Parts: sequence; C-alpha cells; structure tokens
Amino acid sequence: DAGVTQSPTHLIKTRGQQVTLRCSPKSGHDTVSWYQQALGQGPQFIFQYYEEEERQRGNFPDRFSGHQFPNYSSELNVNALLLGDSALYLCASSLTGGHRFNTEAFFGQGTRLTVV
Amino acid sequence: AQSVTQPDIHITVSEGASLELRCNYSYGATPYLFWYVQSPGQGLQLLLKYFSGDTLVQGIKGFEAEFKRSQSSFNLRKPSVHWSDAAEYFCAVVSYGGSQGNLIFGKGTKLSVKP
Repeated sequence: DAGVTQSPTHLIKTRGQQVTLRCSPKSGHDTVSWYQQALGQGPQFIFQYYEEEERQRGNFPDRFSGHQFPNYSSELNVNALLLGDSALYLCASSLTGGHRFNTEAFFGQGTRLTVV
Repeated sequence: AQSVTQPDIHITVSEGASLELRCNYSYGATPYLFWYVQSPGQGLQLLLKYFSGDTLVQGIKGFEAEFKRSQSSFNLRKPSVHWSDAAEYFCAVVSYGGSQGNLIFGKGTKLSVKP
C-alpha cells in the first residue's frame, strides 16, 4: 500500500517565479493538508482540502493556493516566490468520511523548495 | 491562543540511557495531542496520540507519553534509547475547530545518541 507521495522531491526556483507541488494521498484517504516547515522550525499549517474545496486555512497569504482533484490528489501553488518561501513543504492525508474529526494524518516525505 | 512549547532544542543521551522529551501546550479545552518523529530528509511519522481516557499512552518503537492536565504537559519517554532513535521529535495539538489534519506543532527537539 503506497503511502503519501509528493513530487518533486527537490526544486530550485528564482524569486518572482511560480511553483506547483503535488501530493497523492494514501489509498482510502479523502483529505489533504499542506504544511510549510522552515529550517529549524516545526511544520506550519497552510490549508486543508476536502471534497475538492479548501476547508481550513492557516495564516498564509493569498500567494499560496491549492486544488484538490476528484481522485483526492492535491496541488499546492505558490506565486511570486520570495526568498522566505524556501522550506520543506509537507503534505498529509487523512480520512474524513463524513465525520468531524479525521483519522490519523499520514505525512509524505516532503518537497524541498529553494528560492534563489 | 493555542500553542505548543518544546523547551529543549537539542538533547544528547547515551545509548541505553532513558529519555524524556518535554512538551507543554496551551489549549482551552481537552486537547488532542500527538508526538511525531522526523528523520533527516524525511517526513513525519506518528509515534503516539492522546485523545481521552488513560493518561499514559503507548506508542510505536517503545515510546510512551503521559498527559498531565494540571501541568499542561505531554512528555515523551523511552526507558532505553537506541542509536536509531536519533532524529527530531515534534509535539503537536489539534487546532480549535480542526481535525487531525490541522495540527499546531512545537519547534521540535533534536535528539542525538552517543555510542
């Protein structure tokens, strides 16, 4: 059973560019959450997608946007990249399935984004 | 505001010694608490979680944690550390109105293990 997979694993972008990161959830999961982990910090919640809609959002600017597809996979888009966007971006999947609280969240290995 | 504090940035223990990693939380209601481990260049793996009931919870890899409401703490323990336990450990709490996919993390404690 494949777990949460993220692509690409590493990415280097220039300031001002746009980037798209991808996530495939664990089989059977319907909810995807994205986190940003700066060097030496804990992960920070960006947003969560369920039923192809953004369900919750953390304290991130509108430059950060996302999408969830009918197969539950998800993309994270960041526009107008800043040097401060350099971080490990983690995707986590879980199962909502009609309940308020999800099952346990499983994390992918992350995408390391470097902005130069 | 909800928050998680891990007071120790870096801890070094000898292999075979016991371990305790500290976690304090600020939360208005009964918290849902988690410990995750992250090896270098890897994602997060769930070690254990507390929702309710017995305040001593057992996890994977021989870890356990004790929830103490009076101290707002959820410390992680292991009786005998193995070299493979060297990693970064994160304590987390579910955000208000959130789900298990919406977590507030501490800044982490890096564990080094001496041979």
